[in-house]
Amino acid sequence: GDSVTQMEGPVTLSEEAFLTINCTYTATGYPSLFWYVQYPGEGLQLLLKATKADDKGSNKGFEATYRKETTSFHLEKGSVQVSDSAVYFCALRGPGGSYIPTFGRGTSLIVHP
Amino acid sequence: DGGITQSPKYLFRKEGQNVTLSCEQNLNHDAMYWYRQDPGQGLRLIYYSQIVNDFQKGDIAEGYSVSREKKESFPLTVTSAQKNPTAFYLCASSIVGQTGSSPLHFGNGTRLTVT
Repeated sequence: GDSVTQMEGPVTLSEEAFLTINCTYTATGYPSLFWYVQYPGEGLQLLLKATKADDKGSNKGFEATYRKETTSFHLEKGSVQVSDSAVYFCALRGPGGSYIPTFGRGTSLIVHP
Repeated sequence: DGGITQSPKYLFRKEGQNVTLSCEQNLNHDAMYWYRQDPGQGLRLIYYSQIVNDFQKGDIAEGYSVSREKKESFPLTVTSAQKNPTAFYLCASSIVGQTGSSPLHFGNGTRLTVT
């Protein structure tokens, strides 16, 4: 079946550091890929998505590129802020009418001033 | 603004009591989902529904029940049969499409504590 693997956290960075959170996936066909963010005590929010190979999703300074050859969708940000501290979830959703998403286990990011 | 409303935000119950968590959406989405979140365990799917009057078990349905009598509403009942009900519960909804490119929209969750 489909699966998503994320790097384990927590990831701890100083403000203005470069962020990478790795995400790889296993799926049949050509899924859509997503990053969600969860702030403390809240639900998940969509951060960005990509629906086909080589697409780049971007939002709020975050970027991720759909790499079919390496089955990856790594999340990056050039300069993190304290307010980016949250849990980040990578997810996929298959084509063909499948409506059950597959989520990674989440990666906690802590940014210190 | 359209969105998903979960209520209440915090819920406390005694062991042995059933409790119902509310989830309402005004996004006109066909699909709705319930997830359970425990520290360090990510999201686990409890139940999902693609259409009114139809729903399917997810990975951890034992001890839970749902109904889908209206498109907008998908309440979750945590029964006394659920052995470890204390958790953070998230409701979500989405468009049902052929490409799978639609994201999920989440509510802000209900934190249930059973003592």
